[in-house]
Formats: sequence, C-alpha cells, structure tokens
Amino acid sequence: QVQLQESGPGLVKPSQTLSLTCTVSGGSISSGGYYWSWIRQHPGKGLEWIGYIYYSGSTYYNPSLKSRVTISVDTSKNQFSLKLSSVTAADTAVYYCARAHIAVEIFDYWGQGTLVTVSS
Amino acid sequence: SYVLTQPPSVSVAPGQTARITCGGNNIGSKSVHWYQQKPGQAPVLVVYDDSDRPSGIPERFSGSNSGNTATLTISRVEAGDEADYYCQVWDSSRVVFGGGTKLTVL
Repeated sequence: QVQLQESGPGLVKPSQTLSLTCTVSGGSISSGGYYWSWIRQHPGKGLEWIGYIYYSGSTYYNPSLKSRVTISVDTSKNQFSLKLSSVTAADTAVYYCARAHIAVEIFDYWGQGTLVTVSS
Repeated sequence: SYVLTQPPSVSVAPGQTARITCGGNNIGSKSVHWYQQKPGQAPVLVVYDDSDRPSGIPERFSGSNSGNTATLTISRVEAGDEADYYCQVWDSSRVVFGGGTKLTVL
C-alpha cells in the first residue's frame, strides 16, 4: 500500500520561502507511470493544483504559480519536494502531496495534508 | 484556461438520489474524475473515467459525461455521504479541479 507523508514547517514568515517534503513509502518514485504532485486547499475553499514532477525530473506547474514554484525529486530518498517563494498570507493553506496515475489521469494516493500558515 | 463549474451546494434527504453537476466546455470529450472530501481528510476518488468506480466504492456512486456537463449521481443517499465533492480533468498537461459542491444530507 502506497503512503505519502508531508513534512515541513507549519509557520512561514511573509516574503520567505515555503518548503515541504513528501516521503513516499510502499512504492518507488522511480518506478515510472506516475506524476508526483502538490495540491493545496485554502481554508474553507476548493482544491488548487500546484504542479507535478516525473521521476526523471520533468516538471509542470500551474501557470498562476509558476514564477514562484519549484518541485524537485530525490529518488535516493524516495521523496519529492515543494518550494514556494515570496509567500504572503494568501499562501496559507493545507498542502497535499499526491500521486497521479498517468495512464488513468487520476490522483489515487494522497498524503494527509499539512497546514502551512504564513504570518509574521 | 479550462474552467469547471460546480454548484456550491446540493441538499437531499436520506434515501433519495443526489446529482452533482460539473460543467465545462465540451467536457464530454474529456475523462472526468470525482473526489469526495470529508472535513479534515484528504480527498478520496469515488468515480474515474466518467463512470468507473475504484474498488471499495459502493455501487450507489455512478457518473456520466456528455456534451458540456458531467454528473456524479449518488443513489440511496446516506448520512455518511455528506461531504464536499470535486470534479477533475486534465487539460493540456494541466490539472483542473471544479470549485467543489457541498452535499448536505437533510
């Protein structure tokens, strides 16, 4: 059973960089066939796709966030990471990592989510 | 950019049928997936490829997709079905979610 777990600071100051890591267990990121993704949800709001990475390092970002987002992968640790720069209070949200099954185009496994608050 | 439109809320009595729509330009040409999200939990896939169900999802959940509207249908609604529901498609390598619909079981 594949499991994903987000980790990182729950509080980030405005203008700083938000950094989160997703650790994957029960399956290898290097196995191919999946996009490793980040999705966020503002308090009381809907889901917003941030971007995804393939194990080879290819990435695709939401155009609305592209200038501030970097997603990277560390196959040796079976982890992938999110960096979001120049954060403001509008970036306060629950951040989920998730696995997207490429062939079926679905998010089949999700992390539990982690709340990141941007505040001084 | 591609936009998916869902009604903010749908209410239904227990035992009745709930229908949640997801509108998008020629959405019938895309594969639509539906997720259920309960408070404090991550979303769970309930229907994929318009009308298929993952293992473990009750047959009460079904879907359809044609023209400019996809529909998630929940038959014989139970109190435990109360949740937010999101439709999702891929468009030009981008992931698009609908705004979500809150299903209230009266």
